[in-house]
Amino acid sequence: RKEVEQDPGPFNVPEGATVAFNCTYSNSASQSFFWYRQDCRKEPKLLMSVYSSGNEDGRFTAQLNRASQYISLLIRDSKLSDSATYLCVVKGDYKLSFGAGTTVTVRA
Amino acid sequence: EAGVAQSPRYKIIEKRQSVAFWCNPISGHATLYWYQQILGQGPKLLIQFQNNGVVDDSQLPKDRFSAERLKGVDSTLKIQPAKLEDSAVYLCASSYTQGADYGYTFGSGTRLTVV
Repeated sequence: RKEVEQDPGPFNVPEGATVAFNCTYSNSASQSFFWYRQDCRKEPKLLMSVYSSGNEDGRFTAQLNRASQYISLLIRDSKLSDSATYLCVVKGDYKLSFGAGTTVTVRA
Repeated sequence: EAGVAQSPRYKIIEKRQSVAFWCNPISGHATLYWYQQILGQGPKLLIQFQNNGVVDDSQLPKDRFSAERLKGVDSTLKIQPAKLEDSAVYLCASSYTQGADYGYTFGSGTRLTVV
């Protein structure tokens, strides 16, 4: 079983729509969680950390469910510039493990 | 703050040739990581250094891959001999602490094509 699994998508949504997607992780001892964003042919960049109580950063909301071992990301009022691959990232003892990514395409 | 520097940006080699990549982490970052990202997949950790010591190289194909960080600052990753399946983007990242509690910063990567 993969350490981090994501629905690859793609999620094709119109501008202004809300899109949400999840990832699951296998290691119940995982300590920290993140969402990274990766644009085509670019390096991954940290989008936001995910906290147990859930957290928002502008139009982005992240949730963590430790009991079910899944993390979610919700994007409100989608912009064309949100088109990217979103990588779910889980921290074990000292390293980050990455999912394969969920591709989101926002259309005009 | 300057980011993680990597070179070259692109490299095309024939199979069985050798290639080396260079990374200079963010100043003051003790932990350095090399990741391999194959098209359509997430980054996979190859090796992690804490200063100039190896913390984890369990997924490094040691028969052909080697890496060093001699002075605890910049690092090189070498492949010899290269195989077709080594075609990927090689990403270097660094973090201030070994725990990477705040994630880490990636360089722009080296895109390797083996033909």
